Amino acid sequence: GNSVTQMEGPVTLSEEAFLTINCTYTATGYPSLFWYVQYPGEGLQLLLKATKADDKGSNKGFEATYRKETTSFHLEKGSVQVSDSAVYFCALSDSSSYKLIFGSGTRLLVRP
Amino acid sequence: DSGVTQTPKHLITATGQRVTLRCSPRSGDLSVYWYQQSLDQGLQFLIQYYNGEERAKGNILERFSAQQFPDLHSELNLSSLELGDSALYFCASSVLGSRSTDTQYFGPGTRLTVL
Repeated sequence: GNSVTQMEGPVTLSEEAFLTINCTYTATGYPSLFWYVQYPGEGLQLLLKATKADDKGSNKGFEATYRKETTSFHLEKGSVQVSDSAVYFCALSDSSSYKLIFGSGTRLLVRP
Repeated sequence: DSGVTQTPKHLITATGQRVTLRCSPRSGDLSVYWYQQSLDQGLQFLIQYYNGEERAKGNILERFSAQQFPDLHSELNLSSLELGDSALYFCASSVLGSRSTDTQYFGPGTRLTVL
């Protein structure tokens, strides 16, 4: 069945460092791909999405490109801030039932 | 603020009891989804409703049920509660829920603790 695999956390970075969180997926058909962020004590917020191959989603300095050939959707940011500390979830939208299938989440901790 | 509201924010109850979680979708959204977030299972899809009708079901236990009302709000009912049901329960909504490109907007969640 469809699945999403994320890199294990936590990821600890210093402020202004470059961030990459790896995400790969297994899916039939043509899923849409999403990154959601969960700040401490809060719900999930959509960070960005891409709906077809080679699409790049971007928001708040974060980017991810839908790579069909490598079945990946890695999240990147050029310069992280302390306020980016959160848990990041990669997800795909199942093209048959439209439910979201989530990865296990990656906790990011940014130190000043 | 996503525009999706959930009540209550916290719920503490005992094993064997029954609780109801409530969700109001964003204005104009017809589809509602329920997800469970637990430490051991991660984020799992439970069930989807579209305009009052059940559309998709995940690994939802038989002790759990849901419905969507004519005003589009939804309720998730959990009965015969067990310790393992302690989790964060999220509601999400989307415009249609019939396209994989639809974005799901999440509420703040209801934290259920079963003692």
